[in-house]
Amino acid sequence: QLVLTQSPSASASLGASVKLTCTLTRGPSFYAIAWLQQQPEKGPRYLMTVNSDGSHSKGDGIPDRLSGSSSGTERYLTISSLQSEDEADYYCQTWGTGMWVFGGGTKLTVL
Amino acid sequence: QVQLVQSGAEVKEPGASVKVSCKASGYDFTYYFIHWVRQAPGQGLEWMGIINPSGGITNYAQKFQGRVTMTRDTSASTVYMELRSLKSEDTAVFYCARSEGSSHFDVWGRGTLVTVSS
Repeated sequence: QLVLTQSPSASASLGASVKLTCTLTRGPSFYAIAWLQQQPEKGPRYLMTVNSDGSHSKGDGIPDRLSGSSSGTERYLTISSLQSEDEADYYCQTWGTGMWVFGGGTKLTVL
Repeated sequence: QVQLVQSGAEVKEPGASVKVSCKASGYDFTYYFIHWVRQAPGQGLEWMGIINPSGGITNYAQKFQGRVTMTRDTSASTVYMELRSLKSEDTAVFYCARSEGSSHFDVWGRGTLVTVSS
């Protein structure tokens, strides 16, 4: 069974940077994960896929100030030059053996 | 333009069934899997299952097995999700999303709100 763990909340100031973490709590440590953003009252939006070697590939139109990285069982999403529109819920997702799972999500507040 | 367009909001009584549709456009319908995701009010995302539009093969999350059926109409490029024996806890927004095989969900529908109330 696959399990992803995320901190429920995070905050950072306008213009600063923040690093969100998704941990592969249960499942192969080499699995890739995807990051999704859900702004208030909107549907989820695919941001990027982060591989176990730290490489990442972004979705269409995702700005350079968003990047991904990895260390062991942790996958990261770093957002630089925070803007008000970055205030959203961020989910990680992984997949394997015919099933897909989501982390519990992190609510990011931009101060 | 790649799109997944979902049917409108529904209100159902407990014990009833609901059938939500997801119409694909802008790409080869049979090439991508379609998934359904449930999001209860104020809660996170929950994967319900997958359908391969090419052959109609499905795989459901254990939590929903026996209560959900996913089907497709290739002539209409549309996938359907039927959830039976509705309970108040099923009040949620249901999303469809596509993946290229075993991979991330790159395109999402806008969601369909299903309210279960007597």
